[in-house]
Amino acid sequence: GENVEQHPSTLSVQEGDSAVIKCTYSDSASNYFPWYKQELGKRPQLIIDIRSNVGEKKDQRIAVTLNKTAKHFSLHITETQPEDSAVYFCAASTGSSASKIIFGSGTRLSIRP
Amino acid sequence: SQTIHQWPATLVQPVGSPLSLECTVEGTSNPNLYWYRQAAGRGLQLLFYSVGIGQISSEVPQNLSASRPQDRQFILSSKKLLLSDSGFYLCAWSVPGSYNSPLHFGNGTRLTVT
Repeated sequence: GENVEQHPSTLSVQEGDSAVIKCTYSDSASNYFPWYKQELGKRPQLIIDIRSNVGEKKDQRIAVTLNKTAKHFSLHITETQPEDSAVYFCAASTGSSASKIIFGSGTRLSIRP
Repeated sequence: SQTIHQWPATLVQPVGSPLSLECTVEGTSNPNLYWYRQAAGRGLQLLFYSVGIGQISSEVPQNLSASRPQDRQFILSSKKLLLSDSGFYLCAWSVPGSYNSPLHFGNGTRLTVT
């Protein structure tokens, strides 16, 4: 089955700097890669996703890149702000009818003022 | 619009007691339904998923079970809770028949087994 590894587990950056979170996946059939943000005590919420026919996707300060050959994808947050502090999860799915989505272990991002 | 309801929000249960967590979705038909568990400070572990009534796939063998008695209702159960069952349980849904559809999570149930 699919296995998703995520690094780093914790990340602290100065406000205004960029943050990068990296994930690798094992199943070459995976073709959908969402990213979720979870604030303390709350449910995870989708922030951006990318499909295997696209190499990069941007949404304001957030971007995701995908390298299918190497089976890794990354989340980039630019001009970080205090409200970016949260736990971020990457995930991968083969996009079968069951749409089974497997998550990485999460990255706790802290923004230093 | 679609909404997902999950209850209770918090639950404290003794070891060996039964468990029943319920999740319902409104505003869509035949959704894919999921149960995830998040241990303290850990990632999201897929427990069960369902693509239709009575169709349950288990991802992790354990003392938990899931049922889907109605199209938009998903129930997580246990006959006897273990200490290791403590965690944050999240129900989620995705668009049926749509590959690569994102998950929409409920607010979760924080279960503490004492």
